[in-house]
Amino acid sequence: DTGVSQNPRHKITKRGQNVTFRCDPISEHNRLYWYRQTLGQGPEFLTYFQNEAQLEKSRLLSDRFSAERPKGSFSTLEIQRTEQGDSAMYLCASSTDGYEQYFGPGTRLTVT
Amino acid sequence: AQSVAQPEDQVNVAEGNPLTVKCTYSVSGNPYLFWYVQYPNRGLQFLLKYITGDNLVKGSYGFEAEFNKSQTSFHLKKPSALVSDSALYFCAVRVLGPGNQFYFGTGTSLTVIP
Repeated sequence: DTGVSQNPRHKITKRGQNVTFRCDPISEHNRLYWYRQTLGQGPEFLTYFQNEAQLEKSRLLSDRFSAERPKGSFSTLEIQRTEQGDSAMYLCASSTDGYEQYFGPGTRLTVT
Repeated sequence: AQSVAQPEDQVNVAEGNPLTVKCTYSVSGNPYLFWYVQYPNRGLQFLLKYITGDNLVKGSYGFEAEFNKSQTSFHLKKPSALVSDSALYFCAVRVLGPGNQFYFGTGTSLTVIP
Protein backbone atom coordinates (compact mmCIF):
# COMPACT_ATOMS: atom_id res chain seq x y z
CA ASP A 1 0.00 0.00 0.00
CA THR A 2 1.49 3.35 -1.03
CA GLY A 3 -0.97 5.59 0.78
CA VAL A 4 -0.43 7.77 3.83
CA SER A 5 0.18 5.74 6.98
CA GLN A 6 -0.14 6.78 10.59
CA ASN A 7 1.03 5.10 13.75
CA PRO A 8 -0.22 4.20 16.19
CA ARG A 9 -3.86 3.89 15.14
CA HIS A 10 -5.04 4.17 18.72
CA LYS A 11 -3.40 5.63 21.81
CA ILE A 12 -4.75 5.71 25.34
CA THR A 13 -2.79 7.79 27.80
CA LYS A 14 -3.19 9.28 31.23
CA ARG A 15 -3.55 13.00 31.70
CA GLY A 16 -0.17 14.66 32.01
CA GLN A 17 1.72 12.12 29.91
CA ASN A 18 3.47 12.94 26.64
CA VAL A 19 2.49 11.23 23.39
CA THR A 20 4.03 11.16 19.94
CA PHE A 21 2.36 10.23 16.67
CA ARG A 22 4.02 9.42 13.38
CA CYS A 23 2.91 10.08 9.82
CA ASP A 24 4.50 8.60 6.72
CA PRO A 25 3.29 10.49 3.65
CA ILE A 26 3.18 9.27 0.09
CA SER A 27 6.84 9.20 -0.89
CA GLU A 28 6.87 11.84 -3.63
CA HIS A 29 4.64 14.29 -1.74
CA ASN A 30 6.53 17.32 -0.45
CA ARG A 31 3.60 18.86 1.44
CA LEU A 32 2.34 17.48 4.72
CA TYR A 33 -0.53 18.59 6.91
CA TRP A 34 -1.73 17.73 10.42
CA TYR A 35 -5.35 18.08 11.44
CA ARG A 36 -7.41 17.34 14.53
CA GLN A 37 -10.95 16.03 14.27
CA THR A 38 -13.43 15.67 17.10
CA LEU A 39 -16.79 13.93 16.98
CA GLY A 40 -19.32 15.80 14.89
CA GLN A 41 -16.78 18.24 13.54
CA GLY A 42 -14.72 18.55 10.42
CA PRO A 43 -10.94 18.39 10.47
CA GLU A 44 -9.29 21.42 12.06
CA PHE A 45 -5.99 22.51 10.57
CA LEU A 46 -3.02 22.30 12.94
CA THR A 47 0.14 22.73 10.91
CA TYR A 48 1.70 22.49 7.45
CA PHE A 49 5.12 21.46 6.17
CA GLN A 50 6.66 21.96 2.79
CA ASN A 51 9.58 19.57 2.67
CA GLU A 52 11.23 19.92 6.10
CA ALA A 53 10.07 23.49 6.71
CA GLN A 54 7.10 24.13 8.97
CA LEU A 55 5.48 27.00 7.12
CA GLU A 56 2.20 27.46 8.89
CA LYS A 57 0.80 26.81 12.35
CA SER A 58 -2.74 27.26 13.57
CA ARG A 59 -3.48 29.25 16.68
CA LEU A 60 -5.05 25.99 17.88
CA LEU A 61 -1.54 24.60 18.24
CA SER A 62 -0.66 25.46 21.82
CA ASP A 63 2.85 25.40 23.22
CA ARG A 64 2.25 21.81 24.31
CA PHE A 65 2.10 20.71 20.68
CA SER A 66 5.14 20.39 18.48
CA ALA A 67 5.61 18.90 15.05
CA GLU A 68 8.67 18.01 13.07
CA ARG A 69 9.47 16.70 9.65
CA PRO A 70 13.17 15.90 9.58
CA LYS A 71 14.61 15.46 6.11
CA GLY A 72 11.25 16.19 4.58
CA SER A 73 10.02 12.63 4.84
CA PHE A 74 7.98 11.32 7.78
CA SER A 75 6.56 13.68 10.37
CA THR A 76 5.93 13.46 14.09
CA LEU A 77 3.40 15.29 16.22
CA GLU A 78 4.11 15.42 19.94
CA ILE A 79 1.71 16.50 22.63
CA GLN A 80 3.25 17.23 26.02
CA ARG A 81 1.37 17.12 29.31
CA THR A 82 -1.79 15.80 27.68
CA GLU A 83 -5.18 17.07 28.80
CA GLN A 84 -8.59 15.46 28.42
CA GLY A 85 -9.46 18.09 25.84
CA ASP A 86 -6.73 16.68 23.61
CA SER A 87 -8.80 13.54 23.04
CA ALA A 88 -9.51 13.51 19.32
CA MET A 89 -8.61 11.91 16.02
CA TYR A 90 -5.33 13.26 14.67
CA LEU A 91 -5.17 13.18 10.90
CA CYS A 92 -2.21 13.52 8.59
CA ALA A 93 -2.45 14.34 4.89
CA SER A 94 0.08 14.78 2.11
CA SER A 95 -0.01 16.49 -1.25
CA THR A 96 2.12 17.37 -4.24
CA ASP A 97 0.29 20.47 -5.39
CA GLY A 98 -1.29 21.86 -2.24
CA TYR A 99 -4.79 21.18 -3.51
CA GLU A 100 -5.62 17.49 -3.55
CA GLN A 101 -4.75 16.02 -0.19
CA TYR A 102 -4.40 12.34 0.57
CA PHE A 103 -5.37 11.53 4.13
CA GLY A 104 -4.13 8.79 6.40
CA PRO A 105 -6.45 6.71 8.58
CA GLY A 106 -5.73 8.83 11.64
CA THR A 107 -4.55 8.23 15.20
CA ARG A 108 -7.29 8.20 17.80
CA LEU A 109 -6.07 9.65 21.09
CA THR A 110 -7.95 9.06 24.32
CA VAL A 111 -6.73 10.91 27.41
CA THR A 112 -8.04 9.44 30.67
CA ALA B 1 -12.52 35.08 8.97
CA GLN B 2 -12.58 32.17 6.56
CA SER B 3 -15.28 29.57 7.07
CA VAL B 4 -17.34 26.90 5.45
CA ALA B 5 -20.88 25.98 6.38
CA GLN B 6 -22.74 22.77 5.70
CA PRO B 7 -26.27 23.59 6.79
CA GLU B 8 -27.55 20.00 6.85
CA ASP B 9 -26.19 17.48 9.33
CA GLN B 10 -28.11 14.68 7.65
CA VAL B 11 -29.45 14.11 4.15
CA ASN B 12 -31.60 11.13 3.22
CA VAL B 13 -32.35 10.23 -0.38
CA ALA B 14 -33.87 7.23 -2.11
CA GLU B 15 -31.65 5.11 -4.32
CA GLY B 16 -31.82 6.29 -7.92
CA ASN B 17 -32.94 9.80 -7.00
CA PRO B 18 -30.72 12.85 -7.48
CA LEU B 19 -28.83 14.02 -4.42
CA THR B 20 -27.55 17.41 -3.30
CA VAL B 21 -25.29 18.14 -0.35
CA LYS B 22 -25.06 21.85 0.38
CA CYS B 23 -22.03 23.98 1.15
CA THR B 24 -21.58 27.72 1.51
CA TYR B 25 -18.36 29.55 2.16
CA SER B 26 -17.10 32.85 3.47
CA VAL B 27 -13.60 33.97 2.47
CA SER B 28 -11.83 37.25 2.00
CA GLY B 29 -10.31 36.37 -1.36
CA ASN B 30 -10.83 33.98 -4.23
CA PRO B 31 -11.54 30.50 -2.90
CA TYR B 32 -10.30 27.10 -3.81
CA LEU B 33 -13.13 24.69 -2.97
CA PHE B 34 -13.07 20.96 -2.32
CA TRP B 35 -15.28 18.04 -1.44
CA TYR B 36 -14.06 15.04 0.51
CA VAL B 37 -15.89 11.85 1.52
CA GLN B 38 -15.28 9.75 4.63
CA TYR B 39 -16.45 6.17 4.80
CA PRO B 40 -16.68 4.42 8.19
CA ASN B 41 -13.26 3.50 9.58
CA ARG B 42 -11.50 4.97 6.57
CA GLY B 43 -9.61 8.17 5.91
CA LEU B 44 -11.01 11.12 4.01
CA GLN B 45 -10.94 10.72 0.25
CA PHE B 46 -10.75 13.54 -2.28
CA LEU B 47 -13.80 13.83 -4.55
CA LEU B 48 -13.34 17.02 -6.55
CA LYS B 49 -12.04 20.58 -6.53
CA TYR B 50 -12.82 23.99 -7.99
CA ILE B 51 -9.82 26.20 -8.69
CA THR B 52 -10.87 28.31 -11.66
CA GLY B 53 -12.69 27.95 -14.95
CA ASP B 54 -16.01 26.23 -15.49
CA ASN B 55 -18.39 26.57 -12.61
CA LEU B 56 -19.46 22.94 -12.93
CA VAL B 57 -16.71 20.54 -11.92
CA LYS B 58 -16.83 16.78 -12.23
CA GLY B 59 -15.17 14.42 -9.82
CA SER B 60 -14.90 10.83 -8.71
CA TYR B 61 -17.72 8.28 -8.54
CA GLY B 62 -20.07 10.35 -10.72
CA PHE B 63 -20.18 13.34 -8.38
CA GLU B 64 -20.15 16.92 -9.56
CA ALA B 65 -20.31 20.30 -7.89
CA GLU B 66 -21.43 23.73 -8.98
CA PHE B 67 -19.52 26.85 -7.94
CA ASN B 68 -21.81 29.86 -7.55
CA LYS B 69 -19.88 33.00 -6.74
CA SER B 70 -22.90 35.24 -6.21
CA GLN B 71 -24.42 32.83 -3.71
CA THR B 72 -21.01 31.79 -2.29
CA SER B 73 -22.04 28.18 -2.64
CA PHE B 74 -20.45 24.96 -3.81
CA HIS B 75 -23.12 22.27 -3.64
CA LEU B 76 -22.26 18.64 -4.32
CA LYS B 77 -24.57 16.77 -6.66
CA LYS B 78 -25.11 13.39 -8.24
CA PRO B 79 -27.85 12.58 -10.74
CA SER B 80 -28.63 9.12 -9.40
CA ALA B 81 -27.73 8.08 -5.85
CA LEU B 82 -26.36 4.65 -4.98
CA VAL B 83 -26.60 2.91 -1.62
CA SER B 84 -22.79 2.82 -1.64
CA ASP B 85 -22.75 6.64 -1.64
CA SER B 86 -23.85 6.58 2.00
CA ALA B 87 -21.03 8.28 3.89
CA LEU B 88 -19.94 11.51 5.57
CA TYR B 89 -19.22 14.37 3.19
CA PHE B 90 -17.03 17.37 3.96
CA CYS B 91 -16.73 20.63 2.09
CA ALA B 92 -13.45 22.54 2.42
CA VAL B 93 -11.98 25.84 1.29
CA ARG B 94 -8.46 27.10 0.87
CA VAL B 95 -7.88 30.78 0.33
CA LEU B 96 -5.80 31.82 -2.65
CA GLY B 97 -2.50 33.23 -1.43
CA PRO B 98 0.70 32.19 0.31
CA GLY B 99 -1.03 30.34 3.08
CA ASN B 100 -1.95 26.72 2.94
CA GLN B 101 -4.60 26.56 5.57
CA PHE B 102 -7.69 24.58 4.73
CA TYR B 103 -11.03 25.12 6.45
CA PHE B 104 -13.44 22.20 6.60
CA GLY B 105 -17.16 22.20 7.23
CA THR B 106 -18.75 20.12 9.96
CA GLY B 107 -19.82 17.42 7.57
CA THR B 108 -23.09 16.07 6.19
CA SER B 109 -24.08 12.47 6.71
CA LEU B 110 -25.67 11.11 3.54
CA THR B 111 -27.90 8.06 3.74
CA VAL B 112 -29.15 6.51 0.52
CA ILE B 113 -32.20 4.37 1.18
CA PRO B 114 -32.62 1.24 -0.92
